[in-house]
Amino acid sequence: DADVTQTPRNRITKTGKRIMLECSQTKGHDRMYWYRQDPGLGLRLIYYSFDVKDINKGEISDGYSVSRQAQAKFSLSLESAIPNQTALYFCATSDPRSRETQYFGPGTRLLVL
Amino acid sequence: GEDVEQSLFLSVREGDSSVINCTYTDSSSTYLYWYKQEPGAGLQLLTYIFSNMDMKQDQRLTVLLNKKDKHLSLRIADTQTGDSAIYFCADFHTGRRALTFGSGTRLQVQP
Repeated sequence: DADVTQTPRNRITKTGKRIMLECSQTKGHDRMYWYRQDPGLGLRLIYYSFDVKDINKGEISDGYSVSRQAQAKFSLSLESAIPNQTALYFCATSDPRSRETQYFGPGTRLLVL
Repeated sequence: GEDVEQSLFLSVREGDSSVINCTYTDSSSTYLYWYKQEPGAGLQLLTYIFSNMDMKQDQRLTVLLNKKDKHLSLRIADTQTGDSAIYFCADFHTGRRALTFGSGTRLQVQP
């Protein structure tokens, strides 16, 4: 079984809809991250959480919110989706005792029409 | 602000060596990483180097770090078609508590 899972893997939605992307991990890591990937732009950090009570904005948090329901679960919400949020979204976890190596989920491909 | 840059594309023939380059701006980076992304998949850590090292070798992979020039490279010896992927460099600085990724280099290996 994968250590970091994301649901759904693909999603098509319409402008203005609220959607939630979910991430679960079995690695036992406290740190979790949400990134978006756009062609030619690499990965950009949306939000990150170092434990259930520690949530921080990344470089592109506008239009997004997150919830850390438990150590193993970190959800990303788009309150009112817009077309320029069409992207590939990745969740990741890390362990500071392991050289900050990040472990990525398989990604969620989101299309906003 | 912090920036990590890479060239976007590299094409090599199977059996040749590939060299993917990366420059970064944060002189306080603690670790630097190379990740590989295959089509339809997430990123997978290939290798990393600690900032006080200048070279690391791991089988076909050689990482060179020039701290003075803030330049990182990944050399893949005997490149295979299975090495075709996007390669990302990233750095970590304890003050920022997160990685900064480059835009990725697409490696195309021709048979």
